[in-house]
This record gives sequence, C-alpha cells and structure tokens, in this order.
Amino acid sequence: DTAVSQTPKYLVTQMGNDKSIKCEQNLGHDTMYWYKQDSKKFLKIMFSYNNKELIINETVPNRFSPKSPDKAHLNLHINSLELGDSAVYFCASSQVTGGELFFGEGSRLTVL
Amino acid sequence: QQPVQSPQAVILREGEDAVINCSSSKALYSVHWYRQKHGEAPVFLMILLKGGEQKGHEKISASFNEKKQQSSLYLTASQLSYSGTYFCGTTRRNAGNMLTFGGGTRLMVKP
Repeated sequence: DTAVSQTPKYLVTQMGNDKSIKCEQNLGHDTMYWYKQDSKKFLKIMFSYNNKELIINETVPNRFSPKSPDKAHLNLHINSLELGDSAVYFCASSQVTGGELFFGEGSRLTVL
Repeated sequence: QQPVQSPQAVILREGEDAVINCSSSKALYSVHWYRQKHGEAPVFLMILLKGGEQKGHEKISASFNEKKQQSSLYLTASQLSYSGTYFCGTTRRNAGNMLTFGGGTRLMVKP
C-alpha cells in the first residue's frame, strides 16, 4: 500500500486552463502539505494543512487553492494556468506539523 | 526565508568523505535532512531538534549548532548509492513550523 499517493503523475495542459491534483495519505497523519519543485530543483513549500488550519506561503499566487475533504486528502486546484506553473508538485504528510515528511511520488505538470 | 546550503555540488570517489553545510539567518527550531534521487521523491534521513544534537544513519550523520543556526551532514566512506541531491530543511517556532528547504547539494559518487 502506497503511504502517500498522488494523481495524476503526469499532466499536460494549455495555458489558461484549470486543473486539479489529488493527494491521499493512509498513514493517519494530521498534517498534509503541497510542495513545488521547479526545473532548478528548488523545493518550495506552498501550503500546510492541519485540522482545518491552513497555513499559506505568502508567495503563492491565489490561483492556487488547496481543498481538503477530510484528514486523509489534500487536493490542489490551480486556476488560469501559466507557463511558470510547470513543475513537479509533491504532496507530503507528517504526523505533526514540522515532523518527518513522507512524500508522494510527485505530479509533473507541463503547461504549454 | 530558506536556509543556504553549501557546496552546491560535490563529486566523490567511492570511499571518500563529504560534508554538506546548511545555515540560516533566523533562529531555528529543527533541522531535517532529505535525499532525493533522480526522478524520485525526497526521502527522510534524519531530524535534529536540539542544539548540539548529533544523529547517525548508517555512515551518514549530522550535527546541529543551534547558536550558529547551522547544521552539517557528514557522509563517510561514500557508496555509489549515496548519489543524489541532499536537502536540508528548517523549521522556526514562529513560522507555523513549516519546513522550508535549502537549494540542495548535488552529490555524485563515482566508482
């Protein structure tokens, strides 16, 4: 059983479209995250979500929005996609905020 | 504010040692170390919570100097499997405890 799973693994889309990436964890963790890894391999925190408390990295455009239907899921919705959104998006979870991170396999988004 | 890692890249022969440094301009609560192999997700190596704490993981160990806001990762007698990009991540108490990663250090171990 995969601990943190993301879908889709690959996503190719046109500028201006809206897309979502889904994430599920079966570890019973309380906190989930979204990270963006660009072509230079920088891993940037986007969101942290714990018991309905959302912490947003202030540099993230408001076109990005996390949605959590329950504790085991944290989806990422992106509106009006731009070329600069092309990256690998990693979902992660931890037992407590700031604890050991368990990453999903990543979702590679390409915006044309 | 993200921590700063050095060096950016290291090339080693099998059996050689390496040190990767991570420093922050802000007071730290914890330091994490992760390794990411090409095309894969980052994998947790260790976390250091107290000033002066040292931890080990096989032949990979790390130290945390809280006063200097620095951590170092030590790789001894490197193996081919150590190749990858190493990231340090830091948390601060007044920043929601979110883990912020440094720019990474690319390590290549050659036979």
